[in-house]
Amino acid sequence: GQNIDQPTEMTATEGAIVQINCTYQTSGFNGLFWYQQHAGEAPTFLSYNVLDGLEEKGRFSSFLSRSKGYSYLLLKELQMKDSASYLCAAMDSNYQLIWGAGTKLIIKP
Amino acid sequence: GAVVSQHPSWVICKSGTSVKIECRSLDFQATTMFWYRQFPKQSLMLMATSNEGSKATYEQGVEKDKFLINHASLTLSTLTVTSAHPEDSSFYICSARVPGTGDSYEQYFGPGTRLTVT
Repeated sequence: GQNIDQPTEMTATEGAIVQINCTYQTSGFNGLFWYQQHAGEAPTFLSYNVLDGLEEKGRFSSFLSRSKGYSYLLLKELQMKDSASYLCAAMDSNYQLIWGAGTKLIIKP
Repeated sequence: GAVVSQHPSWVICKSGTSVKIECRSLDFQATTMFWYRQFPKQSLMLMATSNEGSKATYEQGVEKDKFLINHASLTLSTLTVTSAHPEDSSFYICSARVPGTGDSYEQYFGPGTRLTVT
């Protein structure tokens, strides 16, 4: 079956760095997405990886290893506004997104 | 960037009535739109894929006669919850796939509609 695993909740300190991991198993693979979702709001796109390696975009970076079925989202210089849920989603061979349950990130001062 | 709007942003209705939710792509044409439902503290659950000019493809377990989807144009898809019941109370989110550029198949989400059935 198809499955996405990511931690349920993580806590980090303002100004620090946090890495949110995601492992996936899908029928075929057409890329890995990370979305940010604040409580009561719709998800917003953060990153897309289809090739192995690290993609950096400002304070956020995303890494993919296709052979390991593994990705992570790295958030640097954490700010209080980064408190949100982070959703990992893998696109299967039918170009359908398979969603993880999300990681709730709590930032403490 | 691509903008997707959704209307209404929240709605309260009585049990047994029907509610229509609109999803519009404002600055691009979306041949494919998706409808999701999200219960509190849970991830997104895909309900159906809506293709312009054809019938929607529903996910297993989603009643197509209860959740009517119409994708009549390249910029508008509607979801109608018929004979709503309290258990239908949820956050409904639409998204549209942006065509082209790098085959990323990125989805842009509308702001969501919070439905409360009393």
